[in-house]
Amino acid sequence: RKEVEQDPGPFNVPEGATVAFNCTYSNSASQSFFWYRQDCRKEPKLLMSVYSSGNEDGRFTAQLNRASQYISLLIRDSKLSDSATYLCVVNSGGSYIPTFGRGTSLIVHP
Amino acid sequence: GAVVSQHPSWVICKSGTSVKIECRSLDFQATTMFWYRQFPKQSLMLMATSNEGSKATYEQGVEKDKFLINHASLTLSTLTVTSAHPEDSSFYICSAPGGLAREQYFGPGTRLTVT
Repeated sequence: RKEVEQDPGPFNVPEGATVAFNCTYSNSASQSFFWYRQDCRKEPKLLMSVYSSGNEDGRFTAQLNRASQYISLLIRDSKLSDSATYLCVVNSGGSYIPTFGRGTSLIVHP
Repeated sequence: GAVVSQHPSWVICKSGTSVKIECRSLDFQATTMFWYRQFPKQSLMLMATSNEGSKATYEQGVEKDKFLINHASLTLSTLTVTSAHPEDSSFYICSAPGGLAREQYFGPGTRLTVT
């Protein structure tokens, strides 16, 4: 079983839609959690960290459920520019080694 | 946020030659850096953990004699692809952890093409 699992999609949504991604992780001792965005042929860029209390940044809301070991990302009022691959990343171990999900592809169309 | 640079951004080399890729943390120190490889339309794959002052830790299936990693200082790690073959053609990315939550700051990547 993969340590961090994501639905690869693609999620194909119209502009203005709300879309949610989930990610599950297997290591209960994981310490920190993130969502990254990766555009085609570019490096991943940090979108937001994820906390148990939940956090919001504009149209983006991230949640962490430690008991169920899943992380979610909600995007409201989708824009064309939101089209990208969204990576779930979990840090574990003394060196905070990152483990990546395979990414969820989002396509926002007019 | 913290900045990580990579050099070169792209390189074309002939089969059998070696290629060195540099990863630098520009405004922070990194005792640990990570090296990844990504093939087209596939997910990022962690190759190895680069440790300043000690040997790198390689992921299962990654040949340490082929992918030489040297963490020369607190701001520089290098990956050398030795005796490159066309199947080594890929997008190589490094990252360094920073911040309170140890989020990864990624270099812009190096696109390697072996002919």
